Amino acid sequence: GQQLNQSPQSMFIQEGEDVSMNCTSSSIFNTWLWYKQDPGEGPVLLIALYKAGELTSNGRLTAQFGITRKDSFLNISASIPSDVGIYFCAARGEQTGANNLFFGTGTRLTVIP
Amino acid sequence: DAGVIQSPRHEVTEMGQEVTLRCKPISGHDYLFWYRQTMMRGLELLIYFNNNVPIDDSGMPEDRFSAKMPNASFSTLKIQPSEPRDSAVYFCASRRRQNTEAFFGQGTRLTVV
Repeated sequence: GQQLNQSPQSMFIQEGEDVSMNCTSSSIFNTWLWYKQDPGEGPVLLIALYKAGELTSNGRLTAQFGITRKDSFLNISASIPSDVGIYFCAARGEQTGANNLFFGTGTRLTVIP
Repeated sequence: DAGVIQSPRHEVTEMGQEVTLRCKPISGHDYLFWYRQTMMRGLELLIYFNNNVPIDDSGMPEDRFSAKMPNASFSTLKIQPSEPRDSAVYFCASRRRQNTEAFFGQGTRLTVV
């Protein structure tokens, strides 16, 4: 079931603006992941975080593993039209086991040119 | 590498019919996962295999669902008999070993009418 609270549910932004989305939980996790899903495609891994407090960048994307291990955020700087899609957080920990993930409900991003 | 390959991409079937979804994992990957994505429940793990052996099928909704992996390069997910509530996008994913992240296929969109 859904144990990750992802927000916002959707965002409409102008091209060039920065974007921020986050995921929170009442449970502790030891891995946080961020995926992007384009229409008709499977999720593609953007950033993986394995250590509390870790801040990792991938181009214009930056994500952080919250120090409490219960949250994570993803920032996209200077958005472009191809950033459109649904972004999912995912987490792994004792509740999921080593080979499962809980997924957030997704943030649907629309970039207006 | 071609990535995880799923077929068919779309399937429309009548209630009561048998449905078989197919997956070819990335060569050399030891783990294979079947996920289901719906609006109501998001992405959920159904079952996963390690070295062709089913390890955890606790996510399989009921006995109508079965999955096999006869060899390292092929897996099937079968629904018999299918019901309208099985309508969803089914994803296959594979990964090389533990402590790495999985790659997703493009999914099969199943519609049961």
